[in-house]
Amino acid sequence: KQEVTQIPAALSVPEGENLVLNCSFTDSAIYNLQWFRQDPGKGLTSLLLIQSSQREQTSGRLNASLDKSSGRSTLYIAASQPGDSATYLCAVGGFYNTDKLIFGTGTRLQVFP
Amino acid sequence: GAGVSQTPSNKVTEKGKYVELRCDPISGHTALYWYRQSLGQGPEFLIYFQGTGAADDSGLPNDRFFAVRPEGSVSTLKIQRTERGDSAVYLCASSSTGEDTQYFGPGTRLTVL
Repeated sequence: KQEVTQIPAALSVPEGENLVLNCSFTDSAIYNLQWFRQDPGKGLTSLLLIQSSQREQTSGRLNASLDKSSGRSTLYIAASQPGDSATYLCAVGGFYNTDKLIFGTGTRLQVFP
Repeated sequence: GAGVSQTPSNKVTEKGKYVELRCDPISGHTALYWYRQSLGQGPEFLIYFQGTGAADDSGLPNDRFFAVRPEGSVSTLKIQRTERGDSAVYLCASSSTGEDTQYFGPGTRLTVL
């Protein structure tokens, strides 16, 4: 059974810092991996999607890497801003592109001015 | 265009009552998913529709939970004889054929008293 773990559970940093969020999964047979952002009381917003054949994806100040063989992914946020404060969720997709997502418990990020 | 919408946004009910939660996916999206998110946890998969049929209902916790999508667009999640443990945010997501990203709605917060 696939299990997804995110470390740390919570993180508080001053504005401007570069930071790394970690995600690990137990079964390397994944189709893809996604990072989502969730604001309080809101739904999920997809940030980056990495196919199993890819090593990384970048969008603006965000960079996500994937090491499928070791069951790890990292989300790197450069020059953090208070507006980045949210919960970040990692999710792995199963065996095909429309398969269900298995989520981690998230990292709650606070960026203070 | 319009995103995934869910109604109601909040639902408070008493233990033992029946509830229906509605999801309107993005127009043209053939895949629809229901997830449940308890406080402090990541979303957990409930059921996945491809068109009108449930392609994977392995996440439904018991036979009190049922979902339909009769015309391949709007879906309704139905919960009978609600229990306090059913209290959670119920999230709906949709995706289109050939696209891996799931687009999430804002969720319905269900509280069972």
